[in-house]
Amino acid sequence: GAVVSQHPSWVICKSGTSVKIECRSLDFQATTMFWYRQFPKQSLMLMATSNEGSKATYEQGVEKDKFLINHASLTLSTLTVTSAHPEDSSFYICSATGTASLTFGSGTRLTVV
Amino acid sequence: AQKITQTQPGMFVQEKEAVTLDCTYDTSDQSYGLFWYKQPSSGEMIFLIYQGSYDEQNATEGRYSLNFQKARKSANLVISASQLGDSAMYFCAMREGNPRSGGSNYKLTFGKGTLLTVNP
Repeated sequence: GAVVSQHPSWVICKSGTSVKIECRSLDFQATTMFWYRQFPKQSLMLMATSNEGSKATYEQGVEKDKFLINHASLTLSTLTVTSAHPEDSSFYICSATGTASLTFGSGTRLTVV
Repeated sequence: AQKITQTQPGMFVQEKEAVTLDCTYDTSDQSYGLFWYKQPSSGEMIFLIYQGSYDEQNATEGRYSLNFQKARKSANLVISASQLGDSAMYFCAMREGNPRSGGSNYKLTFGKGTLLTVNP
């Protein structure tokens, strides 16, 4: 079946630094990728939708300059959390769709200290 | 207004018994789809079952079945013969629009989830 690889699975960074999270579709071409954020014991909230080769569409309230999304190829999308702060600590998870299915990555637990 | 409502923050079930997790949804689209995912403590999202709005029969996948009542806009998940490994968070989610119209129509809206605990 379709596999989406997400790295890193967890990361700890210092406040003020930037962190990049990668999401790769291993065996299909992902025309659209979605990035979600999940705070502890809460639901998944969509941050942005990215289509290969075009700018990401951000959900209301998500700072596009803080959460940079790049979807430069059909198999890779990246989310960069810039100038991270402790309130950005969360679980970030991507999902990808090619033609007729949706597959989630395994998620990245970000802790900003 | 919430698009997906899961009214049970937590549920308990005895091992080997069946349990129903509730989900109601709100949409004005004619074409939509409903998903159930299981999220264990590791965080991964495990797809369980899918029901399309035009599907006439209730979806079933092994021990999982979806009780789809379109007029009531409900899509309850039924887990039969519960196992200890079923203990996890369960999310109901909806996509709106026809996915054949584009990948963006796989954008999912999630409910708040139900934490299921299976007791031995």
